[in-house]
Amino acid sequence: AQSVAQPEDQVNVAEGNPLTVKCTYSVSGNPYLFWYVQYPNRGLQFLLKYITGDNLVKGSYGFEAEFNKSQTSFHLKKPSALVSDSALYFCAVRDQYNQGGKLIFGQGTELSVKP
Amino acid sequence: DSGVTQTPKHLITATGQRVTLRCSPRSGDLSVYWYQQSLDQGLQFLIQYYNGEERAKGNILERFSAQQFPDLHSELNLSSLELGDSALYFCASTPREGGPGGDTQYFGPGTRLTVL
Repeated sequence: AQSVAQPEDQVNVAEGNPLTVKCTYSVSGNPYLFWYVQYPNRGLQFLLKYITGDNLVKGSYGFEAEFNKSQTSFHLKKPSALVSDSALYFCAVRDQYNQGGKLIFGQGTELSVKP
Repeated sequence: DSGVTQTPKHLITATGQRVTLRCSPRSGDLSVYWYQQSLDQGLQFLIQYYNGEERAKGNILERFSAQQFPDLHSELNLSSLELGDSALYFCASTPREGGPGGDTQYFGPGTRLTVL
């Protein structure tokens, strides 16, 4: 069965500091991994994805994520956090054998960036 | 703006009632996915349609049903509503069925359903 874990409910970072939001996954085949962000009263916005190739994926708004197959992780990172990055972040996965294309989401991590 | 539209934005109704949520996918996208976001269950996949045909089902209750029309818009019907059905309902779309391509799902703004 596919699953995603985001071990931290909340991450607090000072503005200008680097941030990391953690994600680990479990799939039976090769994973397709996604990060989405949700601002209050808004839908999910796509940030980046890993399908194949380079383990370091760059996405929107200066975010990047590193795929680590041996640790089954896909942590989201940003070198310098902004107050406007404060939001709810979701990691999602599906595997190559997944019927259709449904995504399995983690429980979300609330990122709070303080000035 | 993802290009996926959902109506209505908010819906308030009473227990036992029936509602219909509407989703229009991005131009050219053939696949529509429905998800439910609630505080206790998180984000859960409900159902997927591709070019009018049901393709995958998740933890969708029997009281819930969906369909995709020839113009590719989709509707999610929720009946005999219970308090626990209060949630944010999202739809997403992709160009293809899902497959090995890893298509990105672009989400609509959601419909917030409140059951009183």
